[in-house]
Amino acid sequence: GAVVSQHPSWVICKSGTSVKIECRSLDFQATTMFWYRQFPKQSLMLMATSNEGSKATYEQGVEKDKFLINHASLTLSTLTVTSAHPEDSSFYICSAREGARNTEAFFGQGTRLTVV
Amino acid sequence: DAKTTQPNSMESNEEEPVHLPCNHSTISGTDYIHWYRQLPSQGPEYVIHGLTSNVNNRMASLAIAEDRKSSTLILHRATLRDAAVYYCILRSNAGNMLTFGGGTRLMVKP
Repeated sequence: GAVVSQHPSWVICKSGTSVKIECRSLDFQATTMFWYRQFPKQSLMLMATSNEGSKATYEQGVEKDKFLINHASLTLSTLTVTSAHPEDSSFYICSAREGARNTEAFFGQGTRLTVV
Repeated sequence: DAKTTQPNSMESNEEEPVHLPCNHSTISGTDYIHWYRQLPSQGPEYVIHGLTSNVNNRMASLAIAEDRKSSTLILHRATLRDAAVYYCILRSNAGNMLTFGGGTRLMVKP
């Protein structure tokens, strides 16, 4: 099946710094990718929808200036957590879908972000 | 997307079948029923999806009630590697993203 690769798998950064997370669709083109955040013992919460060549659509309550999303090609979307704080520590997961809307979605392996 | 209701947790013995229920009484005619699972510290993975008819694949079977207000994911022989959180999600033709609920945490006992 199709593969979505996320990098890095985990990252520790200092408070106030920025961290970039990459999400790649390895063997298919994804015009749309999704970014989720998951806190411990909780479900996945959609943060934003990333559209190739246009601005991302953010869910209510997600700061677009803090979580910068760039989807510059059909195989790569990036999420940059700017000026990270300890409360941004979470598991970030991207997803992409190939083709028609009711096909399966493929998820990256997730990025564990710890801000110290 | 319409809401789904799943038990918080279930237990199963290894090598026995597991039936994971999902209620979706407000499902609309164009909603597909998707199941994903998430192993610890990993991203979710696709399990199965269907619209009206029962579906089978190498991982599981999906039984859909005739009125489509409920469905059951069936793992025919649970293994320890099937221990995960299983999410039942409805997705309409108009929608594109997946909205995750609480899911069912499946524990498999040896």
